[in-house]
Amino acid sequence: SAVISQKPSRDICQRGTSLTIQCQVDSQVTMMFWYRQQPGQSLTLIATANQGSEATYESGFVIDKFPISRPNLTFSTLTVSNMSPEDSSIYLCSVPRTNSYEQYFGPGTRLTVT
Amino acid sequence: AQKVTQAQTEISVVEKEDVTLDCVYETRDTTYYLFWYKQPPSGELVFLIRRNSFDEQNEISGRYSWNFQKSTSSFNFTITASQVVDSAVYFCALLLSNTGNQFYFGTGTSLTVIP
Repeated sequence: SAVISQKPSRDICQRGTSLTIQCQVDSQVTMMFWYRQQPGQSLTLIATANQGSEATYESGFVIDKFPISRPNLTFSTLTVSNMSPEDSSIYLCSVPRTNSYEQYFGPGTRLTVT
Repeated sequence: AQKVTQAQTEISVVEKEDVTLDCVYETRDTTYYLFWYKQPPSGELVFLIRRNSFDEQNEISGRYSWNFQKSTSSFNFTITASQVVDSAVYFCALLLSNTGNQFYFGTGTSLTVIP
């Protein structure tokens, strides 16, 4: 199974600032996904990050707010820009299991915006 | 439109009781996959099971069992003889075969097993 780590594990940020979340995978993967889990809610896909191309954003999410980088096949970052309290969530990255429809999820980054 | 409904927001049971977590899904696609994930307090999502739309066989894995019924669009999850370590949020999810890896998650059921 893939081992996924995320940094930071949690953070408390002030309104109007930005936070960059890192996702590191112990093996090379083509696709990486970023999800948001708002308090008491389900997971919502933010975007799909492919190495060497721009991320594909889901409806309701825009690059200016959630810029994503994918510099290589084992790493990605998600930035939450100009944060507001509504951005308080758990942000998770995930990667698909090889030749399977399963996904491995990282431990998540718990973000609180005050 | 695709949708996954987990009507039970929170469930509490006493240790050793059996508990069933309900999941109802909606899709017009004929090929799809259903999943259950466990999210313990640590936050990481743990994969439990995947079923495809062509396989309605129920599955048992230790204390866990799953009942997939296409006629009612349900994919329920039963924990037998629950244990405190089963306390977690459980998510049911739907994946369509033609949308790559986009999951549609239910809102989750928070299970508390009381010792």
